[in-house]
Amino acid sequence: EVQLVQSGAEVRKPGESLRISCQASGYSFTSYWIGWVRQMPGKGLEWMGIIYSYPGETDIRYSPSFEDQVSISTDNSINTAYLQLSSLKASDSGIYYCARGYGGNSFFDYWGQGTLVTVSS
Amino acid sequence: DIQMTQSPSSLSASVGDRVTITCRASQYTGTFLNWYQQEPGKAPKLLIHGASNLQSGVPSRFSGSGSGTYFTLTISSVQPEDSATYYCQQSYNAAWTFGQGSKVEIK
Repeated sequence: EVQLVQSGAEVRKPGESLRISCQASGYSFTSYWIGWVRQMPGKGLEWMGIIYSYPGETDIRYSPSFEDQVSISTDNSINTAYLQLSSLKASDSGIYYCARGYGGNSFFDYWGQGTLVTVSS
Repeated sequence: DIQMTQSPSSLSASVGDRVTITCRASQYTGTFLNWYQQEPGKAPKLLIHGASNLQSGVPSRFSGSGSGTYFTLTISSVQPEDSATYYCQQSYNAAWTFGQGSKVEIK
């Protein structure tokens, strides 16, 4: 069974940084992409970026809306993807989802449970 | 960025009604268009990929069509469990984008 399990809820102060993890199981981690999606409270889905990481080959794409503030990476040895957020603002509060990408120009077929991030002074 | 515009933003339907949601892209996207359903408090769920391909396990009352810049999601006979927000998403571009969502309420 394909599963994506994300790290728990986080609280940060403005200006701080944060790393969220997404551990995959039930499939070959290096054969698929992993993407990240933000959902601000009461709002829609925002595509942040996506990564494909195979031994000797990495492809990372970012949304222009997020590329200055986020960094996506993987640790293939533990089937885990990461989303690093820097210079956090209150407006970065929301739920962050990881999802499995079937290909670089495809769709998200499995999703993590979401990680709630609260940025507050 | 390719902008995705959905309409309507919200609708109310009775059980058994036929419901159609449209999604327009600001540029050509071929059939790299997907639809997701998100129930309150849950992660999104893939319904349709490649504009018209029903994801495994999704009820056959859901269907998708379109190509280029105009796409539709149709629920042939809406059920109470279809109360949710629906999103289109393009993956033609290296930077994928979602529509703003269409909320379906069941009367």
